[in-house]
Amino acid sequence: KAGVTQTPRYLIKTRGQQVTLSCSPISGHRSVSWYQQTPGQGLQFLFEYFSETQRNKGNFPGRFSGRQFSNSRSEMNVSTLELGDSALYLCASALAGGAGELFFGEGSRLTVL
Amino acid sequence: GESVGLHLPTLSVQEGDNSIINCAYSNSASDYFIWYKQESGKGPQFIIDIRSNMDKRQGQRVTVLLNKTVKHLSLQIAATQPGDSAVYFCAERNAGKSTFGDGTTLTVKP
Repeated sequence: KAGVTQTPRYLIKTRGQQVTLSCSPISGHRSVSWYQQTPGQGLQFLFEYFSETQRNKGNFPGRFSGRQFSNSRSEMNVSTLELGDSALYLCASALAGGAGELFFGEGSRLTVL
Repeated sequence: GESVGLHLPTLSVQEGDNSIINCAYSNSASDYFIWYKQESGKGPQFIIDIRSNMDKRQGQRVTVLLNKTVKHLSLQIAATQPGDSAVYFCAERNAGKSTFGDGTTLTVKP
């Protein structure tokens, strides 16, 4: 069974630009969540989607948004990029979302210059 | 608010010794507590979890202990191997949202 796939793996943007990251969950998983990982802040929860609906949201500004498609694939978007948005963005999928383990992708490393 | 913290940011052990990684949490309403391992360049990988109504669970070479009285979680790794070197995160999971601790970097010396 294929794991969680995130694209792109690496990208460089400049301040003010916007970026879209993509995540394909494990087949059959309906919950997709996103995390931001930085050396100083660790793993911070961004949001979780289940059956195309945002079910949970972390404490990030409105510049961070996401969506989930009918095939459970998810995208997250960050608009008006700031230097502090440089991070590893991790996507995780789960069967139903309420319990059990998360299966993480390898992440998209975003560098904002 | 919710927070999950680890007692030590780094831990160094000798190969073959047992390792104990500790974590303190604050949200008593969490359904599950989970340990993840993250190797360099990879996403976190599930190690073991424990439901909030349990106090101990064992896996292969790993044991998780949950003390709800003092809101403490620990991961014990038996006979630590070089391949166990990684960053370990505890996380509490509640209604689809996981809150992660800061991570402990485990280094196994040969």
